[in-house]
Amino acid sequence: GAGVSQTPSNKVTEKGKYVELRCDPISGHTALYWYRQSLGQGPEFLIYFQGTGAADDSGLPNDRFFAVRPEGSVSTLKIQRTERGDSAVYLCASSLDVGWGNTIYFGEGSWLTVV
Amino acid sequence: AQKVTQAQTEISVVEKEDVTLDCVYETRDTTYYLFWYKQPPSGELVFLIRRNSFDEQNEISGRYSWNFQKSTSSFNFTITASQVVDSAVYFCALSSTGGFKTIFGAGTRLFVKA
Repeated sequence: GAGVSQTPSNKVTEKGKYVELRCDPISGHTALYWYRQSLGQGPEFLIYFQGTGAADDSGLPNDRFFAVRPEGSVSTLKIQRTERGDSAVYLCASSLDVGWGNTIYFGEGSWLTVV
Repeated sequence: AQKVTQAQTEISVVEKEDVTLDCVYETRDTTYYLFWYKQPPSGELVFLIRRNSFDEQNEISGRYSWNFQKSTSSFNFTITASQVVDSAVYFCALSSTGGFKTIFGAGTRLFVKA
């Protein structure tokens, strides 16, 4: 597609449930990022992929969060045992090249609400 | 440590006024990039500009202009003759040789009233 595509656009889940959020980056983009944005805040870095491997996962808040990108394109962010504090917009982004300083292009986000 | 500060939480102007959004950054790296993004009510972050630390020339794109001053670690964004469609949250961001992540400020919400 032309832009970064994220599904679902909205997800409401009960506390304790497992959630998967999917991201399809811009075609040909090598690097993929996940960010989280809480109300009234800027995007907060979670994890960065170069190809299939996670080059930097220092932003994942705890071991309930995990992300994969098995074929170097589509990525899935997985959240286990969801908590109400996980409610936020999860943003996926991609850039043409790997490394620092590249312009990253965002999708519309997946709004997660944990009730 | 890297940090981006956008001290203005909200700004409200009347259409056709000029408005400047402030951005102050912190980094120990001498090589870095600065960015501005726009997030309209629809929610998607839209890239506006990327500037590297070696280029301090001001940039103008239509009604938008950016003033980069390394001496004050600032990268301010001015909208000339604002329009209602400029209403959005604007984010300043920083990426440096210190890592892969791009760090964002908390954003400035701009309201442009007709």
